[in-house]
Amino acid sequence: DAGITQSPRHKVTETGTPVTLRCHQTENHRYMYWYRQDPGHGLRLIHYSYGVKDTDKGEVSDGYSVSRSKTEDFLLTLESATSSQTSVYFCAISESGTFATNEKLFFGSGTQLSVL
Amino acid sequence: TQLLEQSPQFLSIQEGENLTVYCNSSSVFSSLQWYRQEPGEGPVLLVTVVTGGEVKKLKRLTFQFGDARKDSSLHITAAQPGDTGLYLCAGSDNYGQNFVFGPGTRLSVLP
Repeated sequence: DAGITQSPRHKVTETGTPVTLRCHQTENHRYMYWYRQDPGHGLRLIHYSYGVKDTDKGEVSDGYSVSRSKTEDFLLTLESATSSQTSVYFCAISESGTFATNEKLFFGSGTQLSVL
Repeated sequence: TQLLEQSPQFLSIQEGENLTVYCNSSSVFSSLQWYRQEPGEGPVLLVTVVTGGEVKKLKRLTFQFGDARKDSSLHITAAQPGDTGLYLCAGSDNYGQNFVFGPGTRLSVLP
């Protein structure tokens, strides 16, 4: 199994509070991703990183920010959590970021976030 | 924006039955992947198909990529309770980027 650790695994917070989720990898992969998973929507990309301090927005980036100060760590921050951000959040990694042939995503076990 | 649709959304069958789930799009994909996700875990890659018409087998699972590279199917023979999970397809555009997931088919195999 790929070495990807997400923390915390579960979190309950209140509307308006800041929340930071952490993803740590031991695979030294260049690309890291944050997805959210909601019923009927599958996995939607929030932000991704293609190197230290290099990040870009995904499909559903509003209300989220990310940081990557080290290869192994990718942080997702909800500056002011809203109930619509209640979801399961997954971190993923890949080597090249190009999915034309044999590239694949390795996922962490997810963080269940509830915003009340 | 490329979109992937999956059908059926839910499927509940008895152990030993065969089943097929589908992944469809109006867009052409350079490659398509199938993942399986178990409760409380992240998705795990099952297979990648890259050539139109390609068929890949993984034990009792058979994956096919459509000739026009717009659709794919997953066929499971003699389903077992261990096949229970959420099956997700995901595809990338011709540049190998813009990777998108379908909403998934939730399969339940009853003993």
